[in-house]
Amino acid sequence: DQQVKQNSPSLSVQEGRISILNCDYTNSMFDYFLWYKKYPAEGPTFLISISSIKDKNEDGRFTVFLNKSAKHLSLHIVPSQPGDSAVYFCAGGEYGNKLVFGAGTILRVKS
Amino acid sequence: DVKVTQSSRYLVKRTGEKVFLECVQDMDHENMFWYRQDPGLGLRLIYFSYDVKMKEKGDIPEGYSVSREKKERFSLILESASTNQTSMYLCASKVAGEVIYTGELFFGEGSRLTVL
Repeated sequence: DQQVKQNSPSLSVQEGRISILNCDYTNSMFDYFLWYKKYPAEGPTFLISISSIKDKNEDGRFTVFLNKSAKHLSLHIVPSQPGDSAVYFCAGGEYGNKLVFGAGTILRVKS
Repeated sequence: DVKVTQSSRYLVKRTGEKVFLECVQDMDHENMFWYRQDPGLGLRLIYFSYDVKMKEKGDIPEGYSVSREKKERFSLILESASTNQTSMYLCASKVAGEVIYTGELFFGEGSRLTVL
């Protein structure tokens, strides 16, 4: 049972445009969500997080939106840059419990 | 700067061999984790340890075991490697206790294991 789903395996965006990566979850008990970015041959690195009590969190070019009623979150990158090309993992978790990761979305930003 | 170090970046082993993957963190974190990453499946938790000599099974523990004799070191062991264990293995660590709204897990660079 996949508790966290990233239904788009890949996304291609032109440099300067907005990238929107989507994530759906089934566990209504999740207290927080995180996005990680992973370059080839490197470990994932933390990008941005959001608590379940919020609906938006922003950090520079990255904004995460949470829609609890739809059990959906999205990561917006504006403007997209070639260096943003990576695999993006969405993850959800309950306090005191382990994170559950999605399958990842490959983002390609074309210059 | 925080660091999680995985001893081997690339390994090639034969079916039936015993494989050790080592992970060391220098952040004095209580919790350590082993994940494997496969295309289309994302990161799946194999085992985790919340303290020295403590371990718990994750979502896919079959065929694996772990060892945590010291706080900074967490080892993943494949007793008898099989071809379906060909994967990228990622070690991670974090502080214990309540999660705060920051990057919870610190990952190593990964160990790419190929079993022939």
